[in-house]
Amino acid sequence: AQSVTQLGSHVSVSEGALVLLRCNYSSSVPPYLFWYVQYPNQGLQLLLKYTTGATLVKGINGFEAEFKKSETSFHLTKPSAHMSDAAEYFCAVQEGSSNTGKLIFGQGTTLQVKP
Amino acid sequence: SQTIHQWPATLVQPVGSPLSLECTVEGTSNPNLYWYRQAAGRGLQLLFYSVGIGQISSEVPQNLSASRPQDRQFILSSKKLLLSDSGFYLCAWTGTGTAGEKLFFGSGTQLSVL
Repeated sequence: AQSVTQLGSHVSVSEGALVLLRCNYSSSVPPYLFWYVQYPNQGLQLLLKYTTGATLVKGINGFEAEFKKSETSFHLTKPSAHMSDAAEYFCAVQEGSSNTGKLIFGQGTTLQVKP
Repeated sequence: SQTIHQWPATLVQPVGSPLSLECTVEGTSNPNLYWYRQAAGRGLQLLFYSVGIGQISSEVPQNLSASRPQDRQFILSSKKLLLSDSGFYLCAWTGTGTAGEKLFFGSGTQLSVL
């Protein structure tokens, strides 16, 4: 069965510092991986996704993630945090090889950005 | 462009009362539709998905049901709410293309059962 583990339910960084949100997955098939961001009382917005091809994926708002098969990881990074990045972040893997869009989500990581 | 509407934004209901949450998608046809729930302090859990009118798949046993009376309408219901039904409910859709389709989410409904 597929699963996603996000290490650290809360991450706090200073404004301008590197953001690193960790995600490890378990999948018996080539995974499709996603990062979503959720601002308070809002739905989720896609930051980036990996399907095939280049393992370094660039997303919106300066975020990027690297798919590392050997480490079964898909960590999310941003070189310099901004106050507006404070939100909850979810890593997800698509279930199986279906095209129904069913995703398995991690528990989420709340990012706090301190001035 | 495609949009997804979900209402109401917040809802406070007593235990044992019925529930109806509605979601509609505009600007696309034959979407796959989903209901997710986010319980307090937890990640998102897929409750139902639908690949067409009248076609509903339930992912977890629960007190809720879903229906899809029209192509772009997805309804989440309960006859009698439980305290454990509290949470943030998100409707989402994808196209019916290849694997790796991204989910587009609605703005969510915060349900409090008291």
